[in-house]
Amino acid sequence: RKEVEQDPGPFNVPEGATVAFNCTYSNSASQSFFWYRQDCRKEPKLLMSVYSSGNEDGRFTAQLNRASQYISLLIRDSKLSDSATYLCVVTGANNLFFGTGTRLTVIP
Amino acid sequence: GAVVSQHPSWVICKSGTSVKIECRSLDFQATTMFWYRQFPKQSLMLMATSNEGSKATYEQGVEKDKFLINHASLTLSTLTVTSAHPEDSSFYICSASYPASTDTQYFGPGTRLTVL
Repeated sequence: RKEVEQDPGPFNVPEGATVAFNCTYSNSASQSFFWYRQDCRKEPKLLMSVYSSGNEDGRFTAQLNRASQYISLLIRDSKLSDSATYLCVVTGANNLFFGTGTRLTVIP
Repeated sequence: GAVVSQHPSWVICKSGTSVKIECRSLDFQATTMFWYRQFPKQSLMLMATSNEGSKATYEQGVEKDKFLINHASLTLSTLTVTSAHPEDSSFYICSASYPASTDTQYFGPGTRLTVL
């Protein structure tokens, strides 16, 4: 079983829509959780960290459910510029595990 | 802050040649740097963890004699793909983290390697 699993998509949504991505992880001892954004042929960029209490940054909300071992990212009022691949990242003691990424395309 | 650069950004070479990729942390000292490889439509795969002044730790399945890593200073790590073959064509990305915050990774812009 993979350490981190994501639905690869693609998700094609109209501008202004709300879209949610989920990610599951296999190691219950995982310590930190992040969402990264990767544009085509570019490096991943940190979007936000994910805390147990949930956290929000503008239109983006991230949540962590340790009991069920999943992480979510909610994007409200989608913009064309949100089109990218969103990577779920989970860290262990000495490792960083990436999901395969979920591709989002926001359509005008 | 937390800028990581890579050089070159892309390289095309003939099969059998060696290619060196540099990764630099520009505005902080990185005791640990990481090297990843990403094939098209796939996730990043960790190749090795590079610690300043010591030998790199390679992930299972990554040939240490083929992918030579040197971390000579707190701001520079290099990855050399020796005797590159077409199957080594990929996007190579490095990352570095602050010593005080090892979980958050800052990525270099990546190097696209194409081996003919």
